[in-house]
Amino acid sequence: EDQVTQSPEALRLQEGESSSLNCSYTVSGLRGLFWYRQDPGKGPEFLFTLYSAGEEKEKERLKATLTKKESFLHITAPKPEDSATYLCAVVGSSNTGKLIFGQGTTLQVKP
Amino acid sequence: ETGVTQTPRHLVMGMTNKKSLKCEQHLGHNAMYWYKQSAKKPLELMFVYNFKEQTENNSVPSRFSPECPNSSHLFLHLHTLQPEDSALYLCASSQERNTEAFFGQGTRLTVV
Repeated sequence: EDQVTQSPEALRLQEGESSSLNCSYTVSGLRGLFWYRQDPGKGPEFLFTLYSAGEEKEKERLKATLTKKESFLHITAPKPEDSATYLCAVVGSSNTGKLIFGQGTTLQVKP
Repeated sequence: ETGVTQTPRHLVMGMTNKKSLKCEQHLGHNAMYWYKQSAKKPLELMFVYNFKEQTENNSVPSRFSPECPNSSHLFLHLHTLQPEDSALYLCASSQERNTEAFFGQGTRLTVV
């Protein structure tokens, strides 16, 4: 059964303190791994898609990487506006069209 | 302005009421989805429509009834709900079934 586990559940950082969020996955035939950002009371906002091990994507202070077992979302010199819940999801060959989500990491960046 | 619009944003309904949630996507996508998001739980896929045809029903109770009249519109009809159905209901769309999905802002549903 496809599964996604994110850690830590919550993370508090000082402004400028870089860190990484982890997404471990078990999936039969990875078709894609997706990162989203979700602000309270709003829908998830798409950030990145990764398709194969070794792939990296960057956007402003965020960088996503992928291995055969996990993905990392690196946050460099975060700002308070980066505070949000970050969600990871996968699609596997046995569940085409079905995003399997992790429970998310809630990030709080203090000024 | 998001490419996926959901109405209403908030809904309070009694257990004997009938209501409908509406979703419209302006992205020209072929697949549309309903997700349920409860506190402290991962997003749960409810239904998938691909080119207006339902391709996934993730063991959802019959008190939730989806309708997809065309590739741009998706409805979720609700009747005789339970308090535990209170959650954020999210609509999403994607170009194809294995590509990134774009979400609406959700409908916060409270069943009293």
